[in-house]
Amino acid sequence: EDQVTQSPEALRLQEGESSSLNCSYTVSGLRGLFWYRQDPGKGPEFLFTLYSAGEEKEKERLKATLTKKESFLHITAPKPEDSATYLCAVQAGVGANSKLTFGKGITLSVRP
Amino acid sequence: DTGVSQDPRHKITKRGQNVTFRCDPISEHNRLYWYRQTLGQGPEFLTYFQNEAQLEKSRLLSDRFSAERPKGSFSTLEIQRTEQGDSAMYLCASSARMARAFFGQGTRLTVV
Repeated sequence: EDQVTQSPEALRLQEGESSSLNCSYTVSGLRGLFWYRQDPGKGPEFLFTLYSAGEEKEKERLKATLTKKESFLHITAPKPEDSATYLCAVQAGVGANSKLTFGKGITLSVRP
Repeated sequence: DTGVSQDPRHKITKRGQNVTFRCDPISEHNRLYWYRQTLGQGPEFLTYFQNEAQLEKSRLLSDRFSAERPKGSFSTLEIQRTEQGDSAMYLCASSARMARAFFGQGTRLTVV
């Protein structure tokens, strides 16, 4: 069974204090690893897809990296508006179903 | 791209009542997913449609839950004889083939 574990559960940063969020996964045949951002009471908003070990993607203050066992979401000089829950999900296996298996998420709070 | 639309946004119902939620996916997307999210957890897969065919259902989906996607367009999720444990956010997502999934804003169900 596919498993996704995110750590830490919660992270509090001062504005400008860079850090990383971790996503460890165990899957049979990874097809893609996804990062989403979710604001309270809203649906997840897509950030990145990574497909193979060594791949990196960047968007503004966020950078996602992937190894064979885990992914990191690096946040450089965060701002209060980066406060949200960050979800990691994997898409795995064979067949037509491209369902996602999510971790529990990491709640990030950035203080001004 | 008008996004994935879900209706209603909030639903409060008494235990034992039936409820139905609607999801309108992005028009050109042939894949549609339902997920359920409880507080402090990531979204959990419920069911998947490719066009009008329901191709997979999670073991989480009890006999009280049924989903349809007539004509491969909008989808409905019905819960019969609701229980307090059904209280959650119900998320709909759509995608084109193996591309990233776009989520709606969700329907928050409270069973009292």
